[in-house]
Amino acid sequence: DAGVIQSPRHEVTEMGQEVTLRCKPISGHDYLFWYRQTMMRGLELLIYFNNNVPIDDSGMPEDRFSAKMPNASFSTLKIQPSEPRDSAVYFCASSFGGAEKLFFGSGTQLSVL
Amino acid sequence: KQEVTQIPAALSVPEGENLVLNCSFTDSAIYNLQWFRQDPGKGLTSLLLIQSSQREQTSGRLNASLDKSSGRSTLYIAASQPGDSATYLCAVRWGTYKYIFGTGTRLKVLA
Repeated sequence: DAGVIQSPRHEVTEMGQEVTLRCKPISGHDYLFWYRQTMMRGLELLIYFNNNVPIDDSGMPEDRFSAKMPNASFSTLKIQPSEPRDSAVYFCASSFGGAEKLFFGSGTQLSVL
Repeated sequence: KQEVTQIPAALSVPEGENLVLNCSFTDSAIYNLQWFRQDPGKGLTSLLLIQSSQREQTSGRLNASLDKSSGRSTLYIAASQPGDSATYLCAVRWGTYKYIFGTGTRLKVLA
């Protein structure tokens, strides 16, 4: 298996623009998590899905953030409009069963100018 | 509030040394705990997963222990190598499927 695949690896955009981050979980995994990592706050859980259904989005910072999982093999995290304070590394992770090991993608480095 | 703390933030040791990384957490009613490794510019790799009913887990030169009553976990690395240089994070899961991460220990093993 190729592991969790995220795209793009790097994204540079200007304030106010829409940003879409993509994730393909490991086949057969039923949990998908979106995390954000910054120097100041470390790793924070934004939202997670179980069987494509959003379960807990309490970590989503604002209404500017939205996430979808239209099928078991694809998820998106969208920021609109983007702001400089959204600059961070965004990770997607998946697991089989919530109690098992988390497998992380390589992340998307987002820079909002 | 459920929190995870890792001390020290950074550690530098000579090659071959055995070392211990610490993780402490509030609220002993955990579900499980994972130790991760993160290399610069990369994602996280799960090293060891300890369920709440377990006391320790081992994988190669790594051994993780769990003491829920004291709210502590340790990651023991035997005979450290330069390739072990990375940031090590622990993550704790309580009742929900949320993992709360510590801020990590940045390890450098000197050749």
